[in-house]
Amino acid sequence: EVRLVESGGVVVQPGGSLRLSCVASGFTFDDYAMHWVRQAPGKGLEWVSLIRWDGGGTYYADSVKGRFTISRDNSKNSLYLQMNSLRAEDTALYYCVKDFYYSGSGNYGFGDYWGQGTLVTISS
Amino acid sequence: EIVMTQSPATLSVSPGERATLSCRASQSVSSNLAWYQQKPGQAPRLLIYSTSTRATGIPARFSGSGSGTEFTLTISSLQSEDFAVYYCQQYNNWPPYPFGQGTKLEIK
Repeated sequence: EVRLVESGGVVVQPGGSLRLSCVASGFTFDDYAMHWVRQAPGKGLEWVSLIRWDGGGTYYADSVKGRFTISRDNSKNSLYLQMNSLRAEDTALYYCVKDFYYSGSGNYGFGDYWGQGTLVTISS
Repeated sequence: EIVMTQSPATLSVSPGERATLSCRASQSVSSNLAWYQQKPGQAPRLLIYSTSTRATGIPARFSGSGSGTEFTLTISSLQSEDFAVYYCQQYNNWPPYPFGQGTKLEIK
């Protein structure tokens, strides 16, 4: 059974930093790209970032580019999101999402498994 | 950057009836479109990918169609558990991987 468990969400002041973590199990972690997707309270889904299966490529939404850094440690089956210069509009539930495509396909795309999310609140 | 637009924002349908949800892309995404279902307090669940392929365990009453810029999710006979919010997402031109704003399917 695929399982994704996020952690690290807390209340942080504007301008602060935070690191989210996601531990994966139930699949070969280093065979798949991984995403972070967020959802502000009462709002829709917003794609945040993607990292290639080997960490060799990272991609970001314009809204977080230059402030957030996605990374992974395949030896620990873990995905991370370093969040700096946090703003009120970063307040959201952050989901860790497994990409559907196997690394050998050369494709990246949509998420077939989602964690339950970790809540980040930016407030003074 | 591609913009995904879903309509209607809210759809009221009676159980047992058919529901048709629309998703439009601002430019062609070929057939690289996915649909998700989200119930209150839950993470999104993948329903459909590649426009019309049902994900594992998804009932046959869910079907997807379309290509290019116009896509449709159809639920043939609504069950009580189908009332939720539905999102489309394109993965043809990336990054980013934008979602539509969602359609809330509610009981009439």
